[in-house]
Amino acid sequence: KQEVTQIPAALSVPEGENLVLNCSFTDSAIYNLQWFRQDPGKGLTSLLLIQSSQREQTSGRLNASLDKSSGRSTLYIAASQPGDSATYLCAVRYAGGTSYGKLTFGQGTILTVHP
Amino acid sequence: DVKVTQSSRYLVKRTGEKVFLECVQDMDHENMFWYRQDPGLGLRLIYFSYDVKMKEKGDIPEGYSVSREKKERFSLILESASTNQTSMYLCASTKRGYEQYFGPGTRLTVT
Repeated sequence: KQEVTQIPAALSVPEGENLVLNCSFTDSAIYNLQWFRQDPGKGLTSLLLIQSSQREQTSGRLNASLDKSSGRSTLYIAASQPGDSATYLCAVRYAGGTSYGKLTFGQGTILTVHP
Repeated sequence: DVKVTQSSRYLVKRTGEKVFLECVQDMDHENMFWYRQDPGLGLRLIYFSYDVKMKEKGDIPEGYSVSREKKERFSLILESASTNQTSMYLCASTKRGYEQYFGPGTRLTVT
């Protein structure tokens, strides 16, 4: 079964820390992997998309890496701020079949950055 | 910027009512999706559409139907709402192979 797992489920850090969120997937045959942010009661905001041929993507203080062979992706957040507090979701588009862009989501990591 | 809009942020309906949730995207995306999100269960795909009038069932289609008469609009229909359909409903769209963009969500309560 194609699954996505995120560890840890929750993380609390002081402001200014660099942190890493982890995502693992069960099948290395993927089209891409996408990281999202979700604020309470809101929709998902796309942060980074990594195609299967790429190793990493960067946007501002965010850096996402992809290692297909080990079935892992990490989201690195530099110099965390209280405004980064949210739930972070990892989603994988597995290859094969007629998926038409269907994503398989992890359960998310709830991040709290305290001043 | 891609924009995905949903017709309501909050909706309260009674058991047995027919409920329509509307989603519109403005970027000419071929693929559109309806998910529901519940605590502890994460996001689950209800239905998706890869072209006008084309649809496929997702992981939890029971109790739902969809309609896509125009490329930009994808509707989710609850034929007879039940309390176990109380949830956050999220619409998304994508151009094939690229980023998936989400709407703001509709919090539906069925009483």
